[in-house]
Amino acid sequence: DQQVKQNSPSLSVQEGRISILNCDYTNSMFDYFLWYKKYPAEGPTFLISISSIKDKNEDGRFTVFLNKSAKHLSLHIVPSQPGDSAVYFCAASAGADGLTFGKGTHLIIQP
Amino acid sequence: DTEVTQTPKHLVMGMTNKKSLKCEQHMGHRAMYWYKQKAKKPPELMFVYSYEKLSINESVPSRFSPECPNSSLLNLHLHALQPEDSALYLCASSQVGLQNTEAFFGQGTRLTVV
Repeated sequence: DQQVKQNSPSLSVQEGRISILNCDYTNSMFDYFLWYKKYPAEGPTFLISISSIKDKNEDGRFTVFLNKSAKHLSLHIVPSQPGDSAVYFCAASAGADGLTFGKGTHLIIQP
Repeated sequence: DTEVTQTPKHLVMGMTNKKSLKCEQHMGHRAMYWYKQKAKKPPELMFVYSYEKLSINESVPSRFSPECPNSSLLNLHLHALQPEDSALYLCASSQVGLQNTEAFFGQGTRLTVV
């Protein structure tokens, strides 16, 4: 049973537009959420995080929104750039017991 | 220094070999993790060390043997691996028991078992 779900395997967005990546979770014990970006043959790079006590966290072009009642979070990238093309993983944790990852969304930024 | 350093970056080993993967961090993190990542799949948790003690073993075969000799180092000893063990092995670290704790990953060791 997948506790963290990213239902869109891929997403294509035009350069300069907004990219919105979505993530749903089922475990109500998750209290911390993270987005990772991963290039092929490299380890994931931490991107942005949000605690369950917040509903929004912003870092430059990246904003993560958390809707606890819907058990849903999303990552917004504005404006999208070619270097943003990568696989984005949503991950969640409850305490220090490691991370549960979604299956990833392949974001493709088109010129 | 927000780096998690993994060595070697690439490793090719035979099924009868014994090798070790190493992971090092100097951020004062007291939780360290090993993940295994197959192609086009998210990393899967293997082991968690908390305060240098093994706290989670996700039913990993005994041919993988973790070791945490001190708070900065995490090793993964490999023996008698199978070709299906070929994968990217990721180490991560984080603080323990604090809100807003990010996990930092190393770049991984790409392991090929022949």
